[in-house]
Amino acid sequence: GQQLNQSPQSMFIQEGEDVSMNCTSSSIFNTWLWYKQDPGEGPVLLIALYKAGELTSNGRLTAQFGITRKDSFLNISASIPSDVGIYFCAGQRDNYGQNFVFGPGTRLSVLP
Amino acid sequence: NAGVTQTPKFQVLKTGQSMTLQCAQDMNHEYMSWYRQDPGMGLRLIHYSVGAGITDQGEVPNGYNVSRSTTEDFPLRLLSAAPSQTSVYFCASRRTSSYNEQFFGPGTRLTVL
Repeated sequence: GQQLNQSPQSMFIQEGEDVSMNCTSSSIFNTWLWYKQDPGEGPVLLIALYKAGELTSNGRLTAQFGITRKDSFLNISASIPSDVGIYFCAGQRDNYGQNFVFGPGTRLSVLP
Repeated sequence: NAGVTQTPKFQVLKTGQSMTLQCAQDMNHEYMSWYRQDPGMGLRLIHYSVGAGITDQGEVPNGYNVSRSTTEDFPLRLLSAAPSQTSVYFCASRRTSSYNEQFFGPGTRLTVL
């Protein structure tokens, strides 16, 4: 089936550090979404990207739609303890109806 | 608005038992879907619906049934539970417009013994 890869799988950072993570695929996608999941909760949408090369910010979060349409990147600046959670990317392809495929997630831990 | 709600939050079943996971949304969204989440595998699509009376299979539909009699509700049925169905189940909904902001429910954690 379709598959997205996320890296890193997990990361431990100090509070105040910047974070970078990415999502890659062997297939082209026309929409990328980034979600955050807190323990025991459902994923919450952070950023949506709709055009190749698009760069979108949401507070301290910035995400980019890769120009090849096969990848996307998420950056978090000046991390804080509440950034802890699992970050998922999701992509949508033209020939997959209206559905999204999700990556396995990047687990972020922030050390005080 | 309550958004997307799911019940129950936790459930333990024995192999072979049946049950229905409930999902409801009050945002008048046309599109609803069910995912399962397993460690290290992200979210995988089970079934989805683009409107009342219309359902279709996702990536992992075996062992699950769905129906969509109203816009608001999209229940997921396990007819004969198996240990492989132990997972966390999420329901999601969104409008079928060009902007695909999908909203998730809080999840149901299911254990099949």
